[in-house]
Amino acid sequence: KQEVTQIPAALSVPEGENLVLNCSFTDSAIYNLQWFRQDPGKGLTSLLLIQSSQREQTSGRLNASLDKSSGRSTLYIAASQPGDSATYLCAVPGANSKLTFGKGITLSVRP
Amino acid sequence: DTAVSQTPKYLVTQMGNDKSIKCEQNLGHDTMYWYKQDSKKFLKIMFSYNNKELIINETVPNRFSPKSPDKAHLNLHINSLELGDSAVYFCASSQKGGGLRGGPQYFGPGTRLTVL
Repeated sequence: KQEVTQIPAALSVPEGENLVLNCSFTDSAIYNLQWFRQDPGKGLTSLLLIQSSQREQTSGRLNASLDKSSGRSTLYIAASQPGDSATYLCAVPGANSKLTFGKGITLSVRP
Repeated sequence: DTAVSQTPKYLVTQMGNDKSIKCEQNLGHDTMYWYKQDSKKFLKIMFSYNNKELIINETVPNRFSPKSPDKAHLNLHINSLELGDSAVYFCASSQKGGGLRGGPQYFGPGTRLTVL
């Protein structure tokens, strides 16, 4: 059974700092990994999807990496801004595409 | 243009009532999903439909019944609501086999259900 872990559960950084959010998964037989953002009381916004054949995927100030063999992914956020404050979730698909989610990392970027 | 939409956004009801949540996607996707996010913010799959056919049914009470009239719609009907059903319910969609070398899953804004 796939398990996805995100540690720490919460993170607070000053504005402008570069930061890394970690995600680990127990079953490395995945096809891709997806990072989402969730703002309080809102739905999930897909940030990046990285296929198993890729090592990195970039979108603006965000960069996601994937190391299947070690069961890890990281989301790198450059030059963080207060608007980046949100909960960041990673998820991996299993049988029939059902996503298994981590519990998320709640990021607070202080002005 | 909203890609995945859900109605209602908020639903407050009494125990024992029956309620429905509607979901529509205009992305042309073949696969749709229902997820539940509990009070601890943990997201878990409930159902998945591919082209109107049920393909995932997790351990969910049979008071929950999904219905897909066409591949753009996946509604969730809940009978005899209980206090523990209070949660945020998210609809999502993806291309066929979205997790299998396919594209990402796109989520609706969620429906916050409160059972009193």
